Amino acid sequence: DTAVSQTPKYLVTQMGNDKSIKCEQNLGHDTMYWYKQDSKKFLKIMFSYNNKELIINETVPNRFSPKSPDKAHLNLHINSLELGDSAVYFCASSQQHGTEAFFGQGTRLTVV
Amino acid sequence: GQNIDQPTEMTATEGAIVQINCTYQTSGFNGLFWYQQHAGEAPTFLSYNVLDGLEEKGRFSSFLSRSKGYSYLLLKELQMKDSASYLCAVRDRADSSYKLIFGSGTRLLVRP
Repeated sequence: DTAVSQTPKYLVTQMGNDKSIKCEQNLGHDTMYWYKQDSKKFLKIMFSYNNKELIINETVPNRFSPKSPDKAHLNLHINSLELGDSAVYFCASSQQHGTEAFFGQGTRLTVV
Repeated sequence: GQNIDQPTEMTATEGAIVQINCTYQTSGFNGLFWYQQHAGEAPTFLSYNVLDGLEEKGRFSSFLSRSKGYSYLLLKELQMKDSASYLCAVRDRADSSYKLIFGSGTRLLVRP
């Protein structure tokens, strides 16, 4: 059973397009996150949701919009994609906010 | 501000012991995590320290000194499969929420 699953695993798209990444966790956790890992492997938090409520919203362009329909799902929609958005995006979840996080397999986004 | 430093790369020999250091500066320290990340895969949890001292878990141990803003991950009896990046992450409390702040990771290469 996959604990945290995100789709797609790979995403190649052109500049200016709009795309979404989906994430689901079956661990019964209350908190979900989106992280961005750039080419230097630096993992940086973007958003955090606790019981469907936005807790953390780092300095991220408003082209990025997270949506949590329920506490098991946290999707990420990106408008008007730019070259600099190319990275690996990881979804994660934890029992409570700030505790041990379990990561999804990552989505490698390439903007051309 | 927040700052986490780790060496970029380390090399060690199979069967040996290696220590990966992490120093941090945060305003609301509330614990430190170590994660392992193999190339192209998701980070996986290794250890968590919130009090000073050594936590041992099989071949891996993690140490924390809060007064010095310092932690290390000790890997014993190195195996080839231990070649991976090791991420130090600080749990930082800001306002009423927590977030994990990751270092850039240490890439460990284990040689025969």
